[in-house]
Amino acid sequence: NAGVTQTPKFQVLKTGQSMTLQCAQDMNHNSMYWYRQDPGMGLRLIYYSASEGTTDKGEVPNGYNVSRLNKREFSLRLESAAPSQTSVYFCASSEEGQGIYGYTFGSGTRLTVV
Amino acid sequence: ELKVEQNPLFLSMQEGKNYTIYCNYSTTSDRLYWYRQDPGKSLESLFVLLSNGAVKQEGRLMASLDTKARLSTLHITAAVHDLSATYFCAVRPDSGYALNFGKGTSLLVTP
Repeated sequence: NAGVTQTPKFQVLKTGQSMTLQCAQDMNHNSMYWYRQDPGMGLRLIYYSASEGTTDKGEVPNGYNVSRLNKREFSLRLESAAPSQTSVYFCASSEEGQGIYGYTFGSGTRLTVV
Repeated sequence: ELKVEQNPLFLSMQEGKNYTIYCNYSTTSDRLYWYRQDPGKSLESLFVLLSNGAVKQEGRLMASLDTKARLSTLHITAAVHDLSATYFCAVRPDSGYALNFGKGTSLLVTP
């Protein structure tokens, strides 16, 4: 099925460990996004990539890095995980034009940092 | 800083009743989205509102957009238990790409 695929779905890290969250979309969308969701906070933008080769900070970028590897893939890296990064992470992609204005979200990665 | 405010944040309502969720935002935008999220799940797109005065309906849910007032509403008619979920509004500002989300409205429909 077409959509946004995130891996892994669940992860437990120890404080200080690093990891990369993977995201891939097969809809040929130009723009991709990483959000985190915390209870009572809605979704907050970490980083986004308007097009292949570009990335920009969102509302809460500290402690994260991203890579837009190609048009399909947009990864999120935690270099030194902290308990404050315990959250659910969603990747999304979007396209505009020809009457299409949709954002498609992945199924999420539930990350716990202990 | 763009602000997207939803109210109420929590809503408990009886089956068969009507209610409205409000979404106010602080910047110019003619593009507003409503999503539904069930516990432990991803976001499901409900409505995309693309212009002032836009109204869309699906089943017991109806959404509207007033860009001049920077206000969108999600109206629930004759609520049923299956509508229990968290509902988010999200705004894409004219000057940006990414959606900015409200904090969500947690809806519980009881018999």
